[in-house]
Amino acid sequence: EDQVTQSPEALRLQEGESSSLNCSYTVSGLRGLFWYRQDPGKGPEFLFTLYSAGEEKEKERLKATLTKKESFLHITAPKPEDSATYLCAVQAPGGYQKVTFGIGTKLQVIP
Amino acid sequence: DAGVTQSPTHLIKTRGQQVTLRCSPKSGHDTVSWYQQALGQGPQFIFQYYEEEERQRGNFPDRFSGHQFPNYSSELNVNALLLGDSALYLCASSKRQTQETQYFGPGTRLLVL
Repeated sequence: EDQVTQSPEALRLQEGESSSLNCSYTVSGLRGLFWYRQDPGKGPEFLFTLYSAGEEKEKERLKATLTKKESFLHITAPKPEDSATYLCAVQAPGGYQKVTFGIGTKLQVIP
Repeated sequence: DAGVTQSPTHLIKTRGQQVTLRCSPKSGHDTVSWYQQALGQGPQFIFQYYEEEERQRGNFPDRFSGHQFPNYSSELNVNALLLGDSALYLCASSKRQTQETQYFGPGTRLLVL
């Protein structure tokens, strides 16, 4: 069964203090690994899709990387508006698009 | 370009009742998936619809059922509601042929009393 483990569960940063979130996964093959941002009471907002080990994607202060067993979401010089829960998810190849999520990392950026 | 929409935004029901939630996919998308998200947890896959048929199902009882219409919109039905069904219900749409990433709607918050 596909599994996604995210760490830490919660992270508190000072504004400008860079850090990384971890996503470890177990899946029979990998069609894609996804990062989403979720604000309280709202639906997840798509950030990145990574398909193969060594791939990297960037968007503003966020950079996602992928290895064969884990992915990192690097946050450079975060701002208070980056505060949210960041969800990692994986999708196995074949069949239809079932996606397995981790429980997320709740990030708080303090001014 | 309209994104994924869901209705209603909030709903309060009592145990034993039945509920129907609705979802309209993003323009150009033909596949709809439903997820349940309990407080403090990640979304859990319920099922997925494509071409008006349920294609895959997660570990949810038969009380959870769905439907997809010819215009690709979808409904999630939950019968005999339990207190534990209280959660945020999320709909996600995607394009089957290109295997694009799923885009989520704002969710429906269901409270069962």
